[in-house]
Amino acid sequence: KQEVTQIPAALSVPEGENLVLNCSFTDSAIYNLQWFRQDPGKGLTSLLLIQSSQREQTSGRLNASLDKSSGRSTLYIAASQPGDSATYLCAVKKYSGNTPLVFGKGTRLSVIA
Amino acid sequence: GAVVSQHPSRVICKSGTSVKIECRSLDFQATTMFWYRQFPKKSLMLMATSNEGSKATYEQGVEKDKFLINHASLTLSTLTVTSAHPEDSSFYICSARGTSGRNGDTQYFGPGTRLTVL
Repeated sequence: KQEVTQIPAALSVPEGENLVLNCSFTDSAIYNLQWFRQDPGKGLTSLLLIQSSQREQTSGRLNASLDKSSGRSTLYIAASQPGDSATYLCAVKKYSGNTPLVFGKGTRLSVIA
Repeated sequence: GAVVSQHPSRVICKSGTSVKIECRSLDFQATTMFWYRQFPKKSLMLMATSNEGSKATYEQGVEKDKFLINHASLTLSTLTVTSAHPEDSSFYICSARGTSGRNGDTQYFGPGTRLTVL
């Protein structure tokens, strides 16, 4: 059974700092991996999706990498801002089609002005 | 982009009543919808997979008679929490998977429904 682990569980950084969030998964046979952002009491916002054949994806200040063979992904946030404060969730999908996403517990990020 | 809506966004009910939550894909057809539950400061736990026109597939430990799922059309799935109790209080999130193309292998998430059972 796929298990997704995110480290750290919580992180507090000063504004402007670059930071890395980690995600690991036990079964390396995945179809894709996705990073989401969740604000308190809100739904999920998709940030980046990496297909299993890809090594990384970038969107603005965000860069996600994937090392499928070792079961790891990182989300790099450059020049963090207070508006980046949220919970970041990593999720993996095993197959194309109807298989659901399996989520980690998330990293709660606080960026201090 | 693909949009998924949920209604209501927040509901408070008395213990013993039933509550229906709707999940709609607004600009695409979804053959499959997933229902997740999230406890405070916890991750999303899959409850069931709902396929249009067929019975939902429930995850182990989820009572199908308590959490009734209906996926009557390609744009609507409903989750009914029957005889709700305080322990059913949670944040329920649905997601929809498109039928093909750009939407075919991506899950789009709704904004969630906060259920509080008194």
